[in-house]
Amino acid sequence: AAGVIQSPRHLIKEKRETATLKCYPIPRHDTVYWYQQGPGQDPQFLISFYEKMQSDKGSIPDRFSAQQFSDYHSELNMSSLELGDSALYFCASSLGGFANTGELFFGEGSRLTVL
Amino acid sequence: AQSVTQPDIHITVSEGASLELRCNYSYGATPYLFWYVQSPGQGLQLLLKYFSGDTLVQGIKGFEAEFKRSQSSFNLRKPSVHWSDAAEYFCAVGSGGYQKVTFGTGTKLQVIP
Repeated sequence: AAGVIQSPRHLIKEKRETATLKCYPIPRHDTVYWYQQGPGQDPQFLISFYEKMQSDKGSIPDRFSAQQFSDYHSELNMSSLELGDSALYFCASSLGGFANTGELFFGEGSRLTVL
Repeated sequence: AQSVTQPDIHITVSEGASLELRCNYSYGATPYLFWYVQSPGQGLQLLLKYFSGDTLVQGIKGFEAEFKRSQSSFNLRKPSVHWSDAAEYFCAVGSGGYQKVTFGTGTKLQVIP
């Protein structure tokens, strides 16, 4: 069965550069969630989208922005990168919210390293 | 606001021994509760969930969890641990709708021979 696809899997950037992470949800899933997991930390919720509209917002820095496109894929844009942005970024998807699908389906994550 | 507390950061058990990982949640209404497992550098895999109904839920890999509303707890158990169970375990709570799921700080499980 198709899973959540995240790209790139690994990304190395310098401080003050920009980075874009992409998330392709499971086919027909219309809700996308972004999480950030720092080293040894729990996943922290950043933002979510349902039907291309922001549905919830967490501790996402102002330097970050995200959107969901008409094909339901989502992109997380990060600018003015800082060392502290180094983390594993997870995308998850569901159909109509996690309560409808029974869970969040997670991708394998994109590991961002900022030097 | 919803929150999750996992009081044990690290737990070490012998292979074949029983396991219980603690989870306490804070949420005003009936929560949606999850246990996820994560191996190093990997994604999050759902072990089990509680939405409603029977308070004892069975999951994959022989895990089970019990929802106790009076104690605001959702502890994860396994009667006999295998070396392959070594990983980090996250309890999580959600309020439903299109809103977020909040994770606890995780419990790292070490299994010794």
